[in-house]
Amino acid sequence: EDKVVQSPLSLVVHEGDTVTLNCSYEVTNFRSLLWYKQEKKAPTFLFMLTSSGIEKKSGRLSSILDKKELFSILNITATQTGDSAVYLCAVRGRTTDSWGKLQFGAGTQVVVTP
Amino acid sequence: DTAVSQTPKYLVTQMGNDKSIKCEQNLGHDTMYWYKQDSKKFLKIMFSYNNKELIINETVPNRFSPKSPDKAHLNLHINSLELGDSAVYFCASSLKATGDYGYTFGSGTRLTVV
Repeated sequence: EDKVVQSPLSLVVHEGDTVTLNCSYEVTNFRSLLWYKQEKKAPTFLFMLTSSGIEKKSGRLSSILDKKELFSILNITATQTGDSAVYLCAVRGRTTDSWGKLQFGAGTQVVVTP
Repeated sequence: DTAVSQTPKYLVTQMGNDKSIKCEQNLGHDTMYWYKQDSKKFLKIMFSYNNKELIINETVPNRFSPKSPDKAHLNLHINSLELGDSAVYFCASSLKATGDYGYTFGSGTRLTVV
């Protein structure tokens, strides 16, 4: 069965710190890896990664995928209290069994203190 | 305009009751999903419909029955509710089932069975 493991499960940092979140995966016929941010309600899309070694950036957030070692990292630099959330990693396979299906990890709870 | 909307947002009901959750998307997407998020924050897929056709049906008790009257709507009916059904249920949609498309999530329905 496909598996997604995120670490750490939670962390507390001070404003201005940099955080690195990890996501390792095992999936049959990998297609893509996605990162979401979940505050109170709906997860909101951050990044989709399909190719190794190509960094995706959006403001202070960036992410990269390593398809050989089967993991991805999400970096947040100069953290702000508004970055406090659960960050979810999900993978998608390319078999017909996994049509559209995202396999999620348990998430990393990030708390940024003032 | 809300892209994926679910109703109700909160639902408190007694064991043994039957209840429905409704979902509508105005994005013109072909594919819709139901996910369950338990108390440990794990998001797990339950069902997926592509153009009104069921394409993913995970191991879910048959007390749960999805219905898609058209591709913009996906409802979830739950019979004989049990305590373990308490969770947040998220509806989501994607442009298509195959291909590299992210999800847009609704804001969730918090179901509490007492």
